[in-house]
Amino acid sequence: DTEVTQTPKHLVMGMTNKKSLKCEQHMGHRAMYWYKQKAKKPPELMFVYSYEKLSINESVPSRFSPECPNSSLLNLHLHALQPEDSALYLCASSQERRGQGETQYFGPGTRLLVL
Amino acid sequence: GQQLNQSPQSMFIQEGEDVSMNCTSSSIFNTWLWYKQEPGEGPVLLIALYKAGELTSNGRLTAQFGITRKDSFLNISASIPSDVGIYFCAGRWSSASKIIFGSGTRLSIRP
Repeated sequence: DTEVTQTPKHLVMGMTNKKSLKCEQHMGHRAMYWYKQKAKKPPELMFVYSYEKLSINESVPSRFSPECPNSSLLNLHLHALQPEDSALYLCASSQERRGQGETQYFGPGTRLLVL
Repeated sequence: GQQLNQSPQSMFIQEGEDVSMNCTSSSIFNTWLWYKQEPGEGPVLLIALYKAGELTSNGRLTAQFGITRKDSFLNISASIPSDVGIYFCAGRWSSASKIIFGSGTRLSIRP
């Protein structure tokens, strides 16, 4: 089973709203990732959690706040977003960050529209 | 700086034709990954390569990790309509702490 699930599939929010994206995997993977993808572009890394600790933050604005409650769950809290933040947000997981374990498996994504 | 180039950017081919796309890096890669993404969905892993010279198949798909460790190709034989999508290569330089993605190859097929 190589499934990563994400909820919700679609989200529309205003610039003053607070919302959260959720990601879950039950593959026993110890690294989890958030990516942002704009149309016709490759995924751009935002955050990496390794063994439930934040290991990489790609200089993401503080209006995006990641959280890893346990080894199976990853959240992305959103607050005061801008219209340019509208994108497909992808979650991925891998066994570990290096070596053969770095093969990442992606979820279906959350399509976010900020009005 | 280090660069990852994927080509071609797009392909429009006849059903049944073979397809080839490739990625080249300015530096040595330790891992090459090939993904396919369809509209509104997340990337799906097709093939993972971990050793120079490695040649791996997945059905009609074949990918190779270049001997120089700076390139990889993906071939699709006898293309069918469901092969339509965007194909991304991805990998990690030996000195990097994350994987990066190529710009993608958009495949369209004439029935």
